[in-house]
Amino acid sequence: GAVVSQHPSWVICKSGTSVKIECRSLDFQATTMFWYRQFPKQSLMLMATSNEGSKATYEQGVEKDKFLINHASLTLSTLTVTSAHPEDSSFYICSARTSGNTEAFFGQGTRLTVV
Amino acid sequence: KQEVTQIPAALSVPEGENLVLNCSFTDSAIYNLQWFRQDPGKGLTSLLLIQSSQREQTSGRLNASLDKSSGRSTLYIAASQPGDSATYLCGSTNQGAQKLVFGQGTRLTINP
Repeated sequence: GAVVSQHPSWVICKSGTSVKIECRSLDFQATTMFWYRQFPKQSLMLMATSNEGSKATYEQGVEKDKFLINHASLTLSTLTVTSAHPEDSSFYICSARTSGNTEAFFGQGTRLTVV
Repeated sequence: KQEVTQIPAALSVPEGENLVLNCSFTDSAIYNLQWFRQDPGKGLTSLLLIQSSQREQTSGRLNASLDKSSGRSTLYIAASQPGDSATYLCGSTNQGAQKLVFGQGTRLTINP
């Protein structure tokens, strides 16, 4: 299957700072990318959908000014957690697909800990 | 609004047994349904993708079926091994949408 690379795998940051997570599709062009958040022992919660060159579409309840998403190219999307707080600590996972009805591929996830 | 349910939430079986994981969805107007496995602390690995026009897909010891009329999909694992222990998630993509809607997952443990 296609490869989606997510970096970093884990990050620890101080409260009030910002953290950027990168998601890259290595061997295909990802028209659409998705960002999820996962709490322990729970399923994935979709945060936002981004199409290359367009503004991201955020799910209800997700603060777009706090979770900044950029999808500037067909192979790269970034999620920036701004002014992070301990409650933002979580596992963040990105996904990419070439179009709406094709197979979705996932990154390996990023464990964010805010201290 | 699509809702996806997976039963059971957890399953523990002895090594070598064949087993079935269940996934049900409320809206049959789907593009496709995808099965994933997730190991602790890791991302999702795609196992099988079934398009809406298909009834089943096979990969090695895995077989996934799709019955849109009843809103159900199953993942059959033959001759289970301890390495199959993981959480298995199903996700559907509805027609006209881009996002996957996930079930809560089934946590599978294969005992040696």
